[in-house]
This record gives sequence, structure tokens and C-alpha cells, in this order.
Amino acid sequence: QKEVEQNSGPLSVPEGAIASLNCTYSDRGSQSFFWYRQYSGKSPELIMSIYSNGDKEDGRFTAQLNKASQYVSLLIRDSQPSDSATYLCASRNNAGNMLTFGGGTRLMVKP
Amino acid sequence: DTAVSQTPKYLVTQMGNDKSIKCEQNLGHDTMYWYKQDSKKFLKIMFSYNNKELIINETVPNRFSPKSPDKAHLNLHINSLELGDSAVYFCASSQRWSGELFFGEGSRLTVL
Repeated sequence: QKEVEQNSGPLSVPEGAIASLNCTYSDRGSQSFFWYRQYSGKSPELIMSIYSNGDKEDGRFTAQLNKASQYVSLLIRDSQPSDSATYLCASRNNAGNMLTFGGGTRLMVKP
Repeated sequence: DTAVSQTPKYLVTQMGNDKSIKCEQNLGHDTMYWYKQDSKKFLKIMFSYNNKELIINETVPNRFSPKSPDKAHLNLHINSLELGDSAVYFCASSQRWSGELFFGEGSRLTVL
């Protein structure tokens, strides 16, 4: 069973701080990784994708990938209360036809 | 216009009953999915269809039967409902090979 693992949290950070969310995966064949955000009672929505080792920045969000360590992270700079949500890490299998999601990390940004 | 729409949003039913959930997408995607999210928020794939063809069936009990009449629709029928089937069921769509899934609003199933 290919797995994606995340700390369930909650991760609590003060407004304006950097939130760091981490994820590990077991399938060495995975090539693509995704971060989804899910507000309480809502459906997941894609916020970042990353395919190569290193960092990828998009506004306040930075995704980091280290394939050797099988590790993916998401940094949120200048965290806002509106960032409070569950963040789901996902990896795509080799065949490219399935996303496997982690259990999600609940982030709480306190004003 | 809602991109991925599911009906109904809520189902409350007794054990042993049968229920169906319908899903439609207007994004022109060729791949559709059913995911189950349990009370611990774990989102697990159940089925995936590409152009009406089943491509993934993740060891789901055969009480669950998906049906895709065309590539814009994917329905889920559940027979003989059990307590453990209580969850939120999400329909999603994407272009094949894309990791960008567009999710419907979810259908919360409660089995009493």
C-alpha cells in the first residue's frame, strides 16, 4: 500500500508567522506532488503542485520537494486567519492515473 | 455554473437500504473519480473512470457500483448500506494525467 503521511496537527501559528507543513511518501516511483487546502465542511482545492527537487514559490506559498528523502513540505509566509484549514498532501502514482492523499494537517492561524 | 455538481448533498438512511449519488461535470474533463472521506478526514480513492472506462477500483466492496453513462457523468450506487459506509463522498474530475482535481461539494451519507 503506497502511503502519504502527514502530522494531523493541529498546527497553531500566530498571524504573520510562517507555517510549515510536512509530508512524507513511501512510493519512490511518485514523480508529482500536490498540496490541497480544505476548509471545514468544504471540498479540497488545489493550491500548489511540484514536480522537481527544490523549491517552487507562488505568492505566500512555497512548496519544497526532496525526492531522495521522500519529503514534501509547504511553507505559508505571513499566515492569515483565512489560511486556517486542513492541508492535504498528495502524490501521483507512476501510471499518472491516481492521486493518493495524506490524512491532512489542520492549521490554525490565531489573530 | 457549478463545475462539478453532486446530488444529493445529504443522505440519511437505515442500514440495509440502497442509495445513489449522482455527479456531473461541465469542465470537459475526460477523467472522473469517487473519493471517500471518513470522520478522520482521510480522503481515499474508490473509483476512477476515463472516457467512461473504469481504470481504478481500489478494493471497494462490490456493494458499491459506479456507472458512467458518458464522460461528463459518474454515478455511485450503494447496496445494503452498513454503518461503516457513513462518510462524505466526493466526486472529482480532471484531465487524465493531471494532478489537478476539481471536487464537487461532497455528499454526506449517514447510515443509522
